Amino acid sequence: QVQLKQWGAGLLKPSETLSLTCAVYGGSFNSHYWNWIRQPPGKGLEWIGEISHSGSTNYNPSLKSRVTISVDSSKNQFSLKLTSVTAADTAIYYCARESPGDSWGQGTLVTVSS
Amino acid sequence: DIVMTQTPLSSPVTFGQPASISCRSSQSLVHSDGNTYLSWLQQRPGQPPRLLIYKISTRFSGVPDRFSGSGAGTDFTLKISRVEAEDVGVYYCMQATQFPYTFGQGTKLEIK
Repeated sequence: QVQLKQWGAGLLKPSETLSLTCAVYGGSFNSHYWNWIRQPPGKGLEWIGEISHSGSTNYNPSLKSRVTISVDSSKNQFSLKLTSVTAADTAIYYCARESPGDSWGQGTLVTVSS
Repeated sequence: DIVMTQTPLSSPVTFGQPASISCRSSQSLVHSDGNTYLSWLQQRPGQPPRLLIYKISTRFSGVPDRFSGSGAGTDFTLKISRVEAEDVGVYYCMQATQFPYTFGQGTKLEIK
């Protein structure tokens, strides 16, 4: 059974770079697309982007200028970087396998505050 | 972007009674490959979302058969035949037919 475990800094100042990593345990890493999705506190879900094991990416245009999703297939890990964060980027960030996500990470609350 | 609109946004239900949530997309979700990538997810309080149904009506592994999905084109429905206590939470529809993938606003299922 696949498990996704994610980690990264939970408190950032405006203009800093958000950095999160998700490790995949079990299942086949190479057969899937790997996603990042976020959820502002008390609000709905927003798809950020996805990456294949070979590094092919798709991003949400609303974030594309600030987002980079990368993959390390040797470690079964993928990562999210979001530059120039503001308070509007405060959210729980989830990693997930495929869209709509048949397996999810536990979520990381990232707060942007001066 | 494809806009996903759910109704109702809140649904008070009684244990053992049925519940239904509608989801309408701003354009057809039929993909060029012939599939319709419309899914339903459940989010219990304090937990990540959980996949219930994909491609309109296919239940994901381990999902009870009281959950069912139907619809076509731009109109879709999630039905719970008999609501149980563990069903309380927020339900989202999601389209993965066209980038960027988008979600409905969520429907909160509450117990009367």
